[in-house]
Amino acid sequence: KQEVTQIPAALSVPEGENLVLNCSFTDSAIYNLQWFRQDPGKGLTSLLLIQSSQREQTSGRLNASLDKSSGRSTLYIAASQPGDSATYLCAVRPYGQNFVFGPGTRLSVLP
Amino acid sequence: DTAVSQTPKYLVTQMGNDKSIKCEQNLGHDTMYWYKQDSKKFLKIMFSYNNKELIINETVPNRFSPKSPDKAHLNLHINSLELGDSAVYFCASSQDLGGSNYQETQYFGPGTRLLVL
Repeated sequence: KQEVTQIPAALSVPEGENLVLNCSFTDSAIYNLQWFRQDPGKGLTSLLLIQSSQREQTSGRLNASLDKSSGRSTLYIAASQPGDSATYLCAVRPYGQNFVFGPGTRLSVLP
Repeated sequence: DTAVSQTPKYLVTQMGNDKSIKCEQNLGHDTMYWYKQDSKKFLKIMFSYNNKELIINETVPNRFSPKSPDKAHLNLHINSLELGDSAVYFCASSQDLGGSNYQETQYFGPGTRLLVL
């Protein structure tokens, strides 16, 4: 059964720092991996989707990588801003199954 | 315009009641989902519904039943509500559901906060 973990559970950084969030999954048989952000009391916003055939995706200051063989993905945020403060979740789509989400990393970017 | 909308935003009800949550998407997507986010903020998929095919998460009690009158709507009906059903329920949609190279980027609604007393 697919399991998804995220490290760290929480992270606090000063504004302007570059940071990396980690996502691990136990079964490499996936169609894709997605990164989302969730603001308090709100729904999820999709940030990036990486297909299984891809190694990375970029959107603005965000870069997500995927290493299927090792069961890992990273989300890199460059030049962090207070507006980046949110919970970041990764989710994988295993073969023949519905999406499985990680527990999230709660990010605080301090002004 | 809101891409994925849910009603109601808040729902407070007594144990044993039956309630429904409505979801609508105006993105023209083929696939819709229901998720449950518990008090620990853990998000778990309940159902996905693609072109009239329902894929059910096996851990969902049969008190929960999705109903899709058309491609733009996926409502969630809950019978005999229990205290443990208290959570935030999210609806989402994606263009496709087909695996590799299909567009499965998901768009989420704002959530329905259900409290069972």
